[in-house]
Amino acid sequence: KNQVEQSPQSLIILEGKNCTLQCNYTVSPFSNLRWYKQDTGRGPVSLTIMTFSENTKSNGRYTATLDADTKQSSLHITASQLSDSASYICVVSAKDQAGTALIFGKGTTLSVSS
Amino acid sequence: DTGVSQNPRHKITKRGQNVTFRCDPISEHNRLYWYRQTLGQGPEFLTYFQNEAQLEKSRLLSDRFSAERPKGSFSTLEIQRTEQGDSAMYLCASSLDPTSGMETQYFGPGTRLLVL
Repeated sequence: KNQVEQSPQSLIILEGKNCTLQCNYTVSPFSNLRWYKQDTGRGPVSLTIMTFSENTKSNGRYTATLDADTKQSSLHITASQLSDSASYICVVSAKDQAGTALIFGKGTTLSVSS
Repeated sequence: DTGVSQNPRHKITKRGQNVTFRCDPISEHNRLYWYRQTLGQGPEFLTYFQNEAQLEKSRLLSDRFSAERPKGSFSTLEIQRTEQGDSAMYLCASSLDPTSGMETQYFGPGTRLLVL
């Protein structure tokens, strides 16, 4: 069964601190993995997309890692800001004969406080 | 083009009524997706179109749900005989058919449905 599990479910950190969010998946056949940021009441916004051969990809203060062997990914946020408060969703893509299917994790809710 | 747009942004209806949502994708995008998201959960895939063809439909999708994309541009999602359990955010996303296997979906702001 295709599944994407994220941890922790929620996280509270002080402004300026770093944090790491985890994503474990059992998706086959794996195509790629995305991290999205979703502000409350808004649609998700793509942060990074990683294929099987990519181990690390950065987008500003966001750095995503992918270990395709252990089927784990992480999203590291450096020097957090109040605007980083949002839900972070891991999405794994599987390609089959019908096309592309996206499997979404439930997300990690990050709260950055001053 | 300013991205994916959805209308209405909010909808309140009584149980048993029919509702219809509209999604206008990014103009050159040939793929269009519908998702449902409930509070505290990630988006749940409902269905997607390649141009006007509905290629995949989630097994979770009730017969009360129907989606169309008649001209391969905008899409509508209709829910018939709404139930309280249909209350959720309905998200639309569009993308270009990927040639390299790397597809990026662009999401609209969503339509929030409340069934009383």
